[in-house]
Amino acid sequence: EVHLVESGGGLVQPGGSLRLSCAASGFTFSDNTMHWVRQAPGKGLEFAATISADGGGTSYADSVKGRFSISRDNSKNMVYLQMGSLRADDMAVYYCARESWGLLDSWGRGTLVTVSS
Amino acid sequence: IVMTQSPGTLSVSPGERATLSCRASQSVSSNLAWYQQKPGQAPRLLISDASTRATGFPARFSGSGSGTEFTLTISSLQSEDFGLYYCQQYNNWPRTFGQGTKVEI
Repeated sequence: EVHLVESGGGLVQPGGSLRLSCAASGFTFSDNTMHWVRQAPGKGLEFAATISADGGGTSYADSVKGRFSISRDNSKNMVYLQMGSLRADDMAVYYCARESWGLLDSWGRGTLVTVSS
Repeated sequence: IVMTQSPGTLSVSPGERATLSCRASQSVSSNLAWYQQKPGQAPRLLISDASTRATGFPARFSGSGSGTEFTLTISSLQSEDFGLYYCQQYNNWPRTFGQGTKVEI
């Protein structure tokens, strides 16, 4: 069974940094593109960052470009999201999701990031 | 590709039919998925390839369309169907979601 477990969320001051982690299990991790999808309170879903299966390709939402960095360690079945220069509008639940043939077929439960002084 | 869903909110009584729409700013062929999200939960894949129902979802859920116009139909709403529904295209990079439709009582 596929399992994705996010961690690392919490309260951070504006301008601060945070590193999210996603532990994957139950599938061959190095086969799949992975996404961080975020959802601000009462809002819709947004692709925050994406990383290809081998880690060689990444993409970011315009809203986070230059501030966030996605990475993965296929030896540890982990994907990370390094977030910097955090702003109030980055406050959201951050989901780790597996892509299979374009579909986000497995999601973690999410980790909440709160940006507040 | 910009995905636009309508309506933003759909108020439906149990047992009634619900029709949700999703429009793409350019053709996505049949590379369109629908997700269901209930309060406090992660989204869950509901429909792939515009019309293929995911495992675990009953036949009252159906998807149709291709190109730029897509529809999700819930033939007879049950209490457990209320929540948020999102479409997502996977024909092009970057992947994009619609803004969602809330199905409420």
